[in-house]
Formats: sequence, C-alpha cells, structure tokens
Amino acid sequence: GENVEQHPSTLSVQEGDSAVIKCTYSDSASNYFPWYKQELGKRPQLIIDIRSNVGEKKDQRIAVTLNKTAKHFSLHITETQPEDSAVYFCAASKWGSSNTGKLIFGQGTTLQVKP
Amino acid sequence: DGGITQSPKYLFRKEGQNVTLSCEQNLNHDAMYWYRQDPGQGLRLIYYSQIVNDFQKGDIAEGYSVSREKKESFPLTVTSAQKNPTAFYLCASSNSARAAGELFFGEGSRLTVL
Repeated sequence: GENVEQHPSTLSVQEGDSAVIKCTYSDSASNYFPWYKQELGKRPQLIIDIRSNVGEKKDQRIAVTLNKTAKHFSLHITETQPEDSAVYFCAASKWGSSNTGKLIFGQGTTLQVKP
Repeated sequence: DGGITQSPKYLFRKEGQNVTLSCEQNLNHDAMYWYRQDPGQGLRLIYYSQIVNDFQKGDIAEGYSVSREKKESFPLTVTSAQKNPTAFYLCASSNSARAAGELFFGEGSRLTVL
C-alpha cells in the first residue's frame, strides 16, 4: 500500500525566514496531495492541496511543488510568522476508477517560528 | 453550526474493557474516517466508510470495530483486543467518496487506558 515519508520531524526558523518540508510517496498512482496544519490543541485543517496534473500551486505565503517522476512533493512557507508555528502533515491518496478513498499521512513536522 | 462532533473529549478505561467513541457530522458528507494520532507517527487510518452500511479497514484496524448505520454517525469501538489503545483519536468526514477533497476533522478524543 501507499507509504508517505515526511522530513524533517522538527524545524526551527527565525521569523521572516522560509521553511521547507518535504514528503515522498511510494505509490506512483497517487494523484492528490494535501497539506494539513494542526495548531497546538486544535484539529488539523487543510491549508493547500495539489493534484498530479499540476507541478506547483501557490496561495499567498505558502506553495506546494510536486515532482511526479521522483515521487516527492514539498511545502514552502515564505516570510514565516509566529502564527505559522504548528505541526504540518503531508498526505497522499489515489482517486479515479479504482479509488480507494484512503488518505495516507506522513509523520508530521513540528515547525517553530522564533520571533 | 455545521461541523463534526466527537465525544467524549477525554476517556479513561481499565484494561479489558471495550469503549466506544462517538462521531457525528451534520455536513451531509458521504465519507467518514477514523485516524489515530501518536507522537512522531502522524495520523494513521483505522477505518473508513464511503457510504452508509459499508466500511473498509485502514492500515491499523486490528482491535477496532466500526458501524455506519446512519450517514451522519460513525462510532468507533476500541476493543480489549487492541494492545496499545492509549492515543488521540480523530474522526473526519469529506463531501464525496468519489473525488479528492478536504477532510473536516473533529476535535478528537483522548483515550487513556489505566
């Protein structure tokens, strides 16, 4: 089955710097890759997603890139702010005629943005 | 106020006891999921259901059971066969079981086995 590896497990940056979190997936048929943010004590929430027919997607200070050949995708946060501090999860799933409905998550990255 | 509600928020159980976690959604979503969250291991899928009266095992289904008798409800039973049940459990739902889309999570239930 699908396996998603996420790195690093913890990341500390200075406010204003950029942060990059990387994920690799094992199933080449996966075609949907969302990112979730979980603030301390709160529920995970979707922040951005990308489908396999797109190489990059941006939404203000966050962007996601996808390399289907290498089977990896990354989250980029620019001009980090203290409120970006949270645990970030990448995920992968396979949708289509044989969709399984399963979203498999990475292990999570704890991002700390120091003022 | 639409959303997904989990109860109880905290639960303590003695070894050998079964316990049922409730998950209710009023979003009219077709698909519902149960994940287990442990430090350093991300969110691991226990069970999921794409339609009423049907559900599939996830990656760590052993020791758990579910039912989906109503569209809005997807309770999870943690049985005494689950060897390490102490964890944070998250329920989620999504609009369609046939297309990729956002998962909406509940606030979670923290189970502690004494």
